[in-house]
Amino acid sequence: DVKVTQSSRYLVKRTGEKVFLECVQDMDHENMFWYRQDPGLGLRLIYFSYDVKMKEKGDIPEGYSVSREKKERFSLILESASTNQTSMYLCASNPPGGAYEQYFGPGTRLTVT
Amino acid sequence: AQSVTQLDSQVPVFEEAPVELRCNYSSSVSVYLFWYVQYPNQGLQLLLKYLSGSTLVKGINGFEAEFNKSQTSFHLRKPSVHISDTAEYFCAVRSQFYFGTGTSLTVIP
Repeated sequence: DVKVTQSSRYLVKRTGEKVFLECVQDMDHENMFWYRQDPGLGLRLIYFSYDVKMKEKGDIPEGYSVSREKKERFSLILESASTNQTSMYLCASNPPGGAYEQYFGPGTRLTVT
Repeated sequence: AQSVTQLDSQVPVFEEAPVELRCNYSSSVSVYLFWYVQYPNQGLQLLLKYLSGSTLVKGINGFEAEFNKSQTSFHLRKPSVHISDTAEYFCAVRSQFYFGTGTSLTVIP
């Protein structure tokens, strides 16, 4: 059974903290993605990676960075968390090309106080 | 450029009634179209997808969708809904880059 796992389901952090969200997939997929999900806004792409050490900005990269040192792992970093980054964060992966569906992790609900 | 519009943000429907969730897309090139479902406190999972061929696509849990090129639509339908269908539904073009804002389906007993 294919699997995308995220390091935490719920996370509470303070303003200004550095936050790491980890995502691991076991399907040997080239592509990995980070989205944030907010009510009424749907899914918005933060960053994606199509290979190890490669990254591309999505629609809302400001305030975030990413790291992909190994094919199976894609990390999202909030350099200095702010309250407007309180959200649900979803990781996904798929093979290259637009015809393949994505496989999603269960999400991390991050609250920044 | 491509974009996706889900016209209804919330759809309440009684149990065993039919439902249609609407999705329109804009694209100047050939499209791949997807519907995903998100149950409460879970990630998204694929319901069905259209890549080419027959315009009527059947998915899991009794859902189906019809690709209409002339109307640039890909509406999702189910003839009889269950309580367990209560969830958020997302339409997407080319899978990873273009998602609609979602439709919250609530099935009323």
